[in-house]
Amino acid sequence: DTAVSQTPKYLVTQMGNDKSIKCEQNLGHDTMYWYKQDSKKFLKIMFSYNNKELIINETVPNRFSPKSPDKAHLNLHINSLELGDSAVYFCATARGAEAFFGQGTRLTVV
Amino acid sequence: GIQVEQSPPDLILQEGANSTLRCNFSDSVNNLQWFHQNPWGQLINLFYIPSGTKQNGRLSATTVATERYSLLYISSSQTTDSGVYFCAGHGSGNTGKLIFGQGTTLQVKP
Repeated sequence: DTAVSQTPKYLVTQMGNDKSIKCEQNLGHDTMYWYKQDSKKFLKIMFSYNNKELIINETVPNRFSPKSPDKAHLNLHINSLELGDSAVYFCATARGAEAFFGQGTRLTVV
Repeated sequence: GIQVEQSPPDLILQEGANSTLRCNFSDSVNNLQWFHQNPWGQLINLFYIPSGTKQNGRLSATTVATERYSLLYISSSQTTDSGVYFCAGHGSGNTGKLIFGQGTTLQVKP
């Protein structure tokens, strides 16, 4: 079983659409994150949740809204998609200080 | 200032060669991790290494926390080692937020 799994792996959509990316973990970790990797491969944190509670919101536009229905899931909903949102989005979990990443979702906005 | 800095930015090796990748980090960063992003985009944990030395097969890592650097050694490189190597550490504030370096892109030629 994949420890941190994201769906979909690839997402191509038009500008202005609303889309969601799902993340599920079976590691039993309390903390989950969303990271964004831009076209230059730079990785930066977007959100952090601990036990379903938002801990970090790293000045991400309001169009991005994370939702954590339970400890094992952290979904990312994006409204009114823009061309600049094209990137790879990674979900991650943490055991203490050690982080584990999902396989990434490549979002392309056309 | 730059919190996590990696060198070199790019590296080309012949299969079988050895290499050392370096990660310098600022006072506000700790709990270093090394990741390998393979050509399929997956981020794979290599080492969680806040200090000391660890080895896993042909790879080993050393972090000297007092001098704010970490080294990743790759011995007898193989084409499957190609990809981008990231180091990342936790920022201050105990939020679990990982701050990434800009990566070292490694190409191993057969």
